[in-house]
Amino acid sequence: GAVVSQHPSRVICKSGTSVKIECRSLDFQATTMFWYRQFPKQSLMLMATSNEGSKATYEQGVEKDKFLINHASLTLSTLTVTSAHPEDSSFYICSAQAENNYGYTFGSGTRLTVV
Amino acid sequence: DAKTTQPTSMDCAEGRAANLPCNHSTISGNEYVYWYRQIHSQGPQYIIHGLKNNETNEMASLIITEDRKSSTLILPHATLRDTAVYYCIVRVRAGANNLFFGTGTRLTVIP
Repeated sequence: GAVVSQHPSRVICKSGTSVKIECRSLDFQATTMFWYRQFPKQSLMLMATSNEGSKATYEQGVEKDKFLINHASLTLSTLTVTSAHPEDSSFYICSAQAENNYGYTFGSGTRLTVV
Repeated sequence: DAKTTQPTSMDCAEGRAANLPCNHSTISGNEYVYWYRQIHSQGPQYIIHGLKNNETNEMASLIITEDRKSSTLILPHATLRDTAVYYCIVRVRAGANNLFFGTGTRLTVIP
């Protein structure tokens, strides 16, 4: 079945630094990838939708200059949290949709802690 | 996509069947019912989906009412590893749209 690999699974960074999270589709090509954020005891909230070769579409309230998304290939999307602050600490999850496939596969998530 | 309503939490004894309900009274004819679950600190995992017929796979069964306004996910023999938040999602199958996650049902399987 379709597998999405997300790295790192856990990262701690200092306030003001940037962190890059990778999301890879291992056995299929993903034309569309989604990035979600989940705070403790809350549901997943969509941050942005990225399409291979084009700019990402951000949800209302999500700063595109702070959360940089790059989907340069059909198997890799990256989310960079720039100038991270403690309030950015959260669980970030990516999902991918294969071309001509209506299913969604999720990565294992990245626990970001900004200190 | 139509909205869904699920109970906030449920308990189930280990080895018994877990029946998780979902109301989706505004579902339209081309919308499917999807079920995902999220075990603590992991990404969501696909369980099953259906349109109007009941469906069964190695993980669960999905029972959809004839009017399609509600459905029930059945885990036939719940284990402790089935403790998770279960999300019922309604959406059209085609199209590159995200999945909208409601609050889900927190299922706790009790030894």
